[in-house]
Amino acid sequence: QVQLVESGGGVVQPGRSLRLSCAASGFTFTNYGMNWVRQAPGKGLEWVAFIRFDGSNKYYADSVRGRFTISRDNSKNTLSLQMNSLRPEDTAVYYCVKDWGSGWCFFDYWGQGTLVTISS
Amino acid sequence: EIVMTQSPATLSVSPGERATLSCRASQSVASNLAWYQQKPGQAPRLLIFGASTRATGIPARFSGNGSGTEFTLTISSLLSEDFAVYYCQQYDNWPPLTFGGGTKVEIK
Repeated sequence: QVQLVESGGGVVQPGRSLRLSCAASGFTFTNYGMNWVRQAPGKGLEWVAFIRFDGSNKYYADSVRGRFTISRDNSKNTLSLQMNSLRPEDTAVYYCVKDWGSGWCFFDYWGQGTLVTISS
Repeated sequence: EIVMTQSPATLSVSPGERATLSCRASQSVASNLAWYQQKPGQAPRLLIFGASTRATGIPARFSGNGSGTEFTLTISSLLSEDFAVYYCQQYDNWPPLTFGGGTKVEIK
């Protein structure tokens, strides 16, 4: 069965960096685009970033472009999100999300999420 | 950016009743719309894609309709496990991928 397991969340001060990871299993990782979606406490869902199955294309939400970098290691079935210059408004649960594939970017599998708290 | 607007924000329904949730796009998204269900403390779950196709394992009491800018999710007869927050998401014109603000379906 498909499993997406995030790690790396925690409490960090504003301006600092954090790196999230997602270990994927149960599907052919190299065939699918992957995403990060976040959810601030008590709020709705916000798409953060996408990476194509082969890593050749990456897209970001305006709110994180230039500060966050999405990457993947297809040899290790791992997705990452490098987050720099963190702000209090980045506080959220971050979900690793698999897309449907074939160019259709809706989300059929989600990880359990990892909480990132930005606070001094 | 395509803005997705869901209504109502909260829907109070009795078990066994029908619930109809709305999602409106600021411009046409064709049929490239998905619906998700999220329960407290859990990740969202895909219910519907292509505006009307149920995802694997989703009961037939969930149905989606619409195209262009107006969409609905109907739960024909609410069970206790259906009380949750529901989100729509467009994937027609991106980036960015955008979600609606959610509709909370609560017990009346």
